[in-house]
Amino acid sequence: GENVEQHPSTLSVQEGDSAVIKCTYSDSASNYFPWYKQELGKGPQLIIDIRSNVGEKKDQRIAVTLNKTAKHFSLHITETQPEDSAVYFCAASKPGSARQLTFGSGTQLTVLP
Amino acid sequence: DAGVTQSPTHLIKTRGQQVTLRCSPISGHKSVSWYQQVLGQGPQFIFQYYEKEERGRGNFPDRFSARQFPNYSSELNVNALLLGDSALYLCASSSQGGGNQPQHFGDGTRLSIL
Repeated sequence: GENVEQHPSTLSVQEGDSAVIKCTYSDSASNYFPWYKQELGKGPQLIIDIRSNVGEKKDQRIAVTLNKTAKHFSLHITETQPEDSAVYFCAASKPGSARQLTFGSGTQLTVLP
Repeated sequence: DAGVTQSPTHLIKTRGQQVTLRCSPISGHKSVSWYQQVLGQGPQFIFQYYEKEERGRGNFPDRFSARQFPNYSSELNVNALLLGDSALYLCASSSQGGGNQPQHFGDGTRLSIL
């Protein structure tokens, strides 16, 4: 089955700096890659996603890049703010009757004021 | 519009008991998926239902079962609870069962087994 590896597991940045989280996936059939932000006591919140026919997608301070050849994708957050502090998860899924998401192990991002 | 709602928010059970968790999807969404999230890990897929039919099952024992109702709400049942079943159970809804439709999560049910 699909395996998604995520690193780093923890990341601390100064407010205003950029943060980058990286994920690799194992199944070349995977074609959908969402990113979720999870705050304490809450469920994961979809923040951005990318499909395999696109190499990059941007939404304000957040961007995601995808390298299908290398089977890795990354989340970039620019101009970080304290409210960006949370656990971030990458995920992957492949075509089929069930859109099963396989998640990475998460990155605890701390933005220091 | 209301997001995905789950009930109850917290639940405490003892080993061997049975539990039922409930989920209401976003209005208009026909697909519901269930995930288990153990503390410090990413969510793991348990089931997906679309139009009241099971579309996928993860690597979980038969103690776990689910169903979807005509109004697209869903229940997850877990029998013969074990200590290892302690986790956050998440429900996600999407507009379709397949395709690249985003899945939106509720805030989960925190299940503690004593």
